[in-house]
Amino acid sequence: EIMLTQTPLSLSVTPGQPASISCKSSLSLLHSDAKTYLYWYLQKSGQSPQLLIYEGSRRFSGVPDRFSGSGSGTDFTLKISRVEPEDVGVYYCMQSVHLPGVTFGQGTRLDIK
Amino acid sequence: QVRLVQSGAELKRPGASVRVACKTSGYNFTHFYMHWVRQAPGQGLEWMGWINPQTGDAKYMQTFLGRITLTTDTSIDTAYMDLTSLTSDDTAIYFCASEMSVWGQGTTVIVSS
Repeated sequence: EIMLTQTPLSLSVTPGQPASISCKSSLSLLHSDAKTYLYWYLQKSGQSPQLLIYEGSRRFSGVPDRFSGSGSGTDFTLKISRVEPEDVGVYYCMQSVHLPGVTFGQGTRLDIK
Repeated sequence: QVRLVQSGAELKRPGASVRVACKTSGYNFTHFYMHWVRQAPGQGLEWMGWINPQTGDAKYMQTFLGRITLTTDTSIDTAYMDLTSLTSDDTAIYFCASEMSVWGQGTTVIVSS
């Protein structure tokens, strides 16, 4: 069974400073179609998760360009270039390569210093 | 504008069943897989299964096999999640998510005697 491990599990960031979250997979997320099915979501308090990044590095419609995704194979990173107060919440990585099961990471809680 | 609007909160007794509806609008319903994800209180995201609205083919997470049924009604662009033999462990917010990109607002299901 595939596992996604996020680090850190929590971080506290001063507004305007960068933040970085790692997601490591127990299996490669590179599909035979050459796409990497790794996604990043932000779930704000009391809300549904919102898609930030798909296919490892592609920003979803309307997502600010301070969010970026990178990585390949089993190691991926979400970076926020300058954290803003509205970025507070829990960040999840997710894979959908190894079906039928979609798998989420444990989540990383970001708050503001 | 793509919208997924879910049915209202449910309170169920142990052993009962629940149906959650997900009414969609703003896109071609049959073109995108519909996923279902749940979140127990204070916990992370747990994928439950997906359905192809065009064919009706569905895949489920192993832990829900025998208790979950996903269906769609393409005449009204609506997806349904049925879960039977409820226990207190099924108390959670249930989300539908089209192609894991746009999510419904969530439906709270409480199982209590």
